[in-house]
Amino acid sequence: DAGVTQSPTHLIKTRGQQVTLRCSPKSGHDTVSWYQQALGQGPQFIFQYYEEEERQRGNFPDRFSGHQFPNYSSELNVNALLLGDSALYLCASRTGADTQYFGPGTRLTVL
Amino acid sequence: KQEVTQIPAALSVPEGENLVLNCSFTDSAIYNLQWFRQDPGKGLTSLLLIQSSQREQTSGRLNASLDKSSGRSTLYIAASQPGDSATYLCAVRGNFNKFYFGSGTKLNVKP
Repeated sequence: DAGVTQSPTHLIKTRGQQVTLRCSPKSGHDTVSWYQQALGQGPQFIFQYYEEEERQRGNFPDRFSGHQFPNYSSELNVNALLLGDSALYLCASRTGADTQYFGPGTRLTVL
Repeated sequence: KQEVTQIPAALSVPEGENLVLNCSFTDSAIYNLQWFRQDPGKGLTSLLLIQSSQREQTSGRLNASLDKSSGRSTLYIAASQPGDSATYLCAVRGNFNKFYFGSGTKLNVKP
């Protein structure tokens, strides 16, 4: 079992650009959540996907959007990038009330 | 809105010492609480999950307790080792499946 995987590992973009991050959940997991972790801070909940729909959303603007595919994998899209969007983006998967498992993250740098 | 606080922000101890990390949360209406470990620049590794109906969980040298009514959890690490050096994060699962993290405690265990 490969666990939760994310791609790419690192990404550098400029302000105003758009970015897509990808996540494959752990085998058997149907719920995927995305988090933003700024340097020195705890992860902040962006949103959660289940059955291909956004079920819950944290306090993030509409520039942050996502998608879940029938195979439960997920994408996070960020439009009109700002310098403040530079962070480690973490994907987590789970099923039901079980433990969340996190991927290694994608480090996004916005210049 | 749920607020999660971790004290201390950083801790340095000599190898072999027993230690306690603290986590507090403002809204006691939680489903569970989870402790994670994060190595620099990496994703999160789940250590222990405590359901709201439970008082504690143990895994090896780790013991986590939960007092939901007072909004507190502690992570006890016995006989600390240099390999325990990392940032420890607690997270609560609240209403509507939203997850809230603390900012973490950065632990350094000196040989």
